[in-house]
Amino acid sequence: GAVVSQHPSRVICKSGTSVKIECRSLDFQATTMFWYRQFPKQSLMLMATSNEGSKATYEQGVEKDKFLINHASLTLSTLTVTSAHPEDSSFYICSARMGLAGGPAGELFFGEGSRLTVL
Amino acid sequence: GENVEQHPSTLSVQEGDSAVIKCTYSDSASNYFPWYKQELGKRPQLIIDIRSNVGEKKDQRIAVTLNKTAKHFSLHITETQPEDSAVYFCAASRDTGRRALTFGSGTRLQVQP
Repeated sequence: GAVVSQHPSRVICKSGTSVKIECRSLDFQATTMFWYRQFPKQSLMLMATSNEGSKATYEQGVEKDKFLINHASLTLSTLTVTSAHPEDSSFYICSARMGLAGGPAGELFFGEGSRLTVL
Repeated sequence: GENVEQHPSTLSVQEGDSAVIKCTYSDSASNYFPWYKQELGKRPQLIIDIRSNVGEKKDQRIAVTLNKTAKHFSLHITETQPEDSAVYFCAASRDTGRRALTFGSGTRLQVQP
């Protein structure tokens, strides 16, 4: 099946620093990627939809200036957590669906996830 | 937007028994309903999905049923095994590539040997 790769898998940083997480679709082109956040023992909450070549669409309550998303190519989206604080510690997972906009979509493939710990 | 509710939050069954997890959704335009299994610290993995043009789909020990009128869908696992123990999430979306999935709150399934 299609593969979505995410890096790094774990990162520990000091409060106030920025962290970049990369998400790549390895064998298909993803015009749209999705970033989710998952706190311990909770569900996956959509943070933003990343669109290739245009601005990301953020969910209500997600600060776009804090969670910078760049989708510069059809296979790469990045999430930068700026000025990270301990409450940003979470499991961040990217995902992408195969299929074209307007047509039936295929399976949603997830990256491995990135566990961020802010000290 | 879409809202998905999932029950129960935890489910414990004996090995060999069946397990049923239920979800309801709010957006009548949703027509894609996948189920994911997530093991601790790992990414969710798709186990089965259904689209609104069918009412039931089966894959070996796993089946999903959909009632569009009532806006609910269910996951059925028969002959459960200890390796089925995990967290299961239902999800819903409109069936296009640009739509994100909205997930339920998850069900922690424990299969007792």
